[in-house]
Amino acid sequence: GPKVLQIPSHQIIDMGQMVTLNCDPVSNHLYFYWYKQILGQQMEFLVNFYNGKVMEKSKLFKDQFSVERPDGSYFTLKIQPTALEDSAVYFCASSFRDQAPLFGEGTRLSVL
Amino acid sequence: QQQVRQSPQSLTVWEGETAILNCSYEDSTFDYFPWYHQFPGESPALLIAIRPVSNKKEDGRFTIFFNKREKKFSLHIADSQPGDSATYFCAATNNNNAPRFGAGTKLSVKP
Repeated sequence: GPKVLQIPSHQIIDMGQMVTLNCDPVSNHLYFYWYKQILGQQMEFLVNFYNGKVMEKSKLFKDQFSVERPDGSYFTLKIQPTALEDSAVYFCASSFRDQAPLFGEGTRLSVL
Repeated sequence: QQQVRQSPQSLTVWEGETAILNCSYEDSTFDYFPWYHQFPGESPALLIAIRPVSNKKEDGRFTIFFNKREKKFSLHIADSQPGDSATYFCAATNNNNAPRFGAGTKLSVKP
C-alpha cells in the first residue's frame, strides 16, 4: 500500500546545530503534517501544510521551526537552532481530503 | 487546553475479554474521529474511524460507539488477543484542523 517515507530514521546532533527532517508523502495526498512524540507518549501536533502554505500550527511549533515543500520534493521540517527539549521522535503524515492521516515510520532526533 | 481526553491511561484485560477505551472532546466542530494503534518502536496505524452521522461503526472485533450529545466516543475490542497489546490513540479532527490526539491508552492483554 501507499507509504510515507521519512529520512533519516535517526539523527544525532549537538545542541545549537541545525537539523532538517525529510518526508516523502504519498504522491496524491494534499495535506501534510508533523507531529512530535516523546517516549511513546502523546502524539503532539506541530503543523499542517496545504497548497504550499502552513495552514495551522501549535504552540509547540516554535520560531526555530520551519516547514517547506519546494517544487513537490520532500516535505521538510527544519529546526534552527536545536535545543535539548527538541529530542523526540518526529512523525510526518499525509492525507487526502477528509481522510485520516497516514504516518511515516518517524525520525528519532537526539540533541546532545 | 486538552482538546481530546482519553482514559484509562493503561488497561489490562484477559484474553477473550472486551477492552473498552474511552475518549471525549470539547470542540463541537470536530466531525471525524479515527482510532490508531501503535506498537513499540513503530508508527501509529489507523485502526478504525467514525463520522457522527452514525453512532456506531464496526470492523471485525473493533467497534466505535459515538455519543454526539455528550461528546464522547469509545473503542470496544471484543475477544481481545495478546497481539492486540499496544498503545491506542483516539483523535478528533475537522476540515479546518489537523487531528488532535488523546494521550493514549496502553493496553495489555494477558493470555
